[in-house]
Amino acid sequence: DAGVTQSPTHLIKTRGQQVTLRCSPKSGHDTVSWYQQALGQGPQFIFQYYEEEERQRGNFPDRFSGHQFPNYSSELNVNALLLGDSALYLCASRTRRSNQPQHFGDGTRLSIL
Amino acid sequence: GESVGLHLPTLSVQEGDNSIINCAYSNSASDYFIWYKQESGKGPQFIIDIRSNMDKRQGQRVTVLLNKTVKHLSLQIAATQPGDSAVYFCAELSYNQGGKLIFGQGTELSVKP
Repeated sequence: DAGVTQSPTHLIKTRGQQVTLRCSPKSGHDTVSWYQQALGQGPQFIFQYYEEEERQRGNFPDRFSGHQFPNYSSELNVNALLLGDSALYLCASRTRRSNQPQHFGDGTRLSIL
Repeated sequence: GESVGLHLPTLSVQEGDNSIINCAYSNSASDYFIWYKQESGKGPQFIIDIRSNMDKRQGQRVTVLLNKTVKHLSLQIAATQPGDSAVYFCAELSYNQGGKLIFGQGTELSVKP
């Protein structure tokens, strides 16, 4: 049973570019959340998707957007990349009607030059 | 704003000793607390959780204590092993705020053989 999978594992971009990160949730999970983890910090909540809609959003600018597909997989898009966007981007999934904890993927390491 | 903080950023223990990692949270309305372990290059891995109507929960070699009076959470690891070396995060969640997890900065646990 595959857990949460993310791609790519590493990515290097330059300022001003756009990036798309992908996440496949754990089998049976229907809710996907994205987090940004700067070096030496705890993950910060970006947003959550359920039923293909953004349900909740953290304190991130509109440059950060997302999408959820009918198969529950999700994408995180970041436009006009800044140096400060360099971080580990984590995807977490859960079943909405369950009180079970979120399962995390191993993240995408994004470096902005 | 809401935050979850840790008293100690680093903790070094001898193999076989018990470890205690502490966490202070600020949202008295949080319903649910989780401890995650994050190894280098990996995503956060669930260790143990506790709901706000409990004050203690035990797992295999781990115990979580919740003191709502002083808004304090701790993780106890018995007979610490080298494989326990990692960064440990506490996280809190309020059910009326959906699945948004609020993480602390983390404590790095180093186990000396």
